[in-house]
Amino acid sequence: KNEVEQSPQNLTAQEGEFITINCSYSVGISALHWLQQHPGGGIVSLFMLSSGKKKHGRLIATINIQEKHSSLHITASHPRDSAVYICAAFSNTGNQFYFGTGTSLTVIP
Amino acid sequence: NAGVTQTPKFQVLKTGQSMTLQCAQDMNHNSMYWYRQDPGMGLRLIYYSASEGTTDKGEVPNGYNVSRLNKREFSLRLESAAPSQTSVYFCASSWELTDTQYFGPGTRLTVL
Repeated sequence: KNEVEQSPQNLTAQEGEFITINCSYSVGISALHWLQQHPGGGIVSLFMLSSGKKKHGRLIATINIQEKHSSLHITASHPRDSAVYICAAFSNTGNQFYFGTGTSLTVIP
Repeated sequence: NAGVTQTPKFQVLKTGQSMTLQCAQDMNHNSMYWYRQDPGMGLRLIYYSASEGTTDKGEVPNGYNVSRLNKREFSLRLESAAPSQTSVYFCASSWELTDTQYFGPGTRLTVL
């Protein structure tokens, strides 16, 4: 059983489309992270959320604590957004991080 | 600033050999982490150090040991490598445990 589930696993979009990646978790958390992993393997943190909504440029992340669900949205997608997006939940029980298996996004020009 | 650095970038070991993966950060972060990433499994936490002088087990600590040498450095040791430890290893750091993490470039380890 995975404590963090992401959907979809794979996503192909046309440039300019609005993209949504979903993350559901089953543990109590104090923070949820969205990470981006580029084809070369490097990992970059995009957002850290404990409630509500955050926005950086074309990226928006939301979290609903009651429903144990978070979404990452990309507006006006671009081929450079092609990467694997990973959701990670920090459980305040035992100080553990649980990671989703990632959503592989390909944006076609 | 270099951020988080890891050495080596690549390593091939034979079963039973030992090695230490090095990690250093220059951001004065309190917390540091070691992860492994296997295809289809996602990232899994091996060990973490909430602050200098402390270390704690993560999800998959068996077969590994860690040392928080000082605030900057956090090393991961494989005492007797096994093929199941073939993976990509990432080190990360953050101000505190729940804060944004900054990742190193990774070490690709193959155990034959």
